Amino acid sequence: KQEVTQIPAALSVPEGENLVLNCSFTDSAIYNLQWFRQDPGKGLTSLLLIQSSQREQTSGRLNASLDKSSGRSTLYIAASQPGDSATYLCAVDSGNTPLVFGKGTRLSVIA
Amino acid sequence: GAVVSQHPSRVICKSGTSVKIECRSLDFQATTMFWYRQFPKQSLMLMATSNEGSKATYEQGVEKDKFLINHASLTLSTLTVTSAHPEDSSFYICSAAAFGQSYEQYFGPGTRLTVT
Repeated sequence: KQEVTQIPAALSVPEGENLVLNCSFTDSAIYNLQWFRQDPGKGLTSLLLIQSSQREQTSGRLNASLDKSSGRSTLYIAASQPGDSATYLCAVDSGNTPLVFGKGTRLSVIA
Repeated sequence: GAVVSQHPSRVICKSGTSVKIECRSLDFQATTMFWYRQFPKQSLMLMATSNEGSKATYEQGVEKDKFLINHASLTLSTLTVTSAHPEDSSFYICSAAAFGQSYEQYFGPGTRLTVT
């Protein structure tokens, strides 16, 4: 059974810092891994999707990496801004089963 | 953790027919329910946000007349795919939240819709 863990559960950083969010999963047989952002009271917003054959994806200040063999992914946020404050979730797609989500990292970027 | 169910888990329908999918929060009252769609090997995409007793808010590009959402009670939301076409074949997932108590969303197991 796939399990996804995110560390840390919460993170507070000053504006401008670069930061890394971690995600690990127990079963390396995945199709893809996705990173989402959740703002309070809102639905999930998809940030990046990494296919199992890829090692990283970039979008603006965000860079997500995937090391399937070790069951790890990181989300790197460069030059953080207060608007980046949200909960970040990673989710693993193993094929015919629903996405398995981590519990998220709650990020606060302090101006 | 909180439990969210979806029914049916799989449905096959003919093109032109309508299909209703139910999402229930089994052990808590959900003030807000979200409907997502996931095409094979693609990202989960938010379709609409549904608050109990009010009209759903649809994301850009989602046809509200085609995807009818009803959230009549604090434990039940329904998504009806009207006049379904093969391109509507997808995995539909709901989530439920009791905002005010926490910001956590609880996901249903999903419904796989195949339109022939």
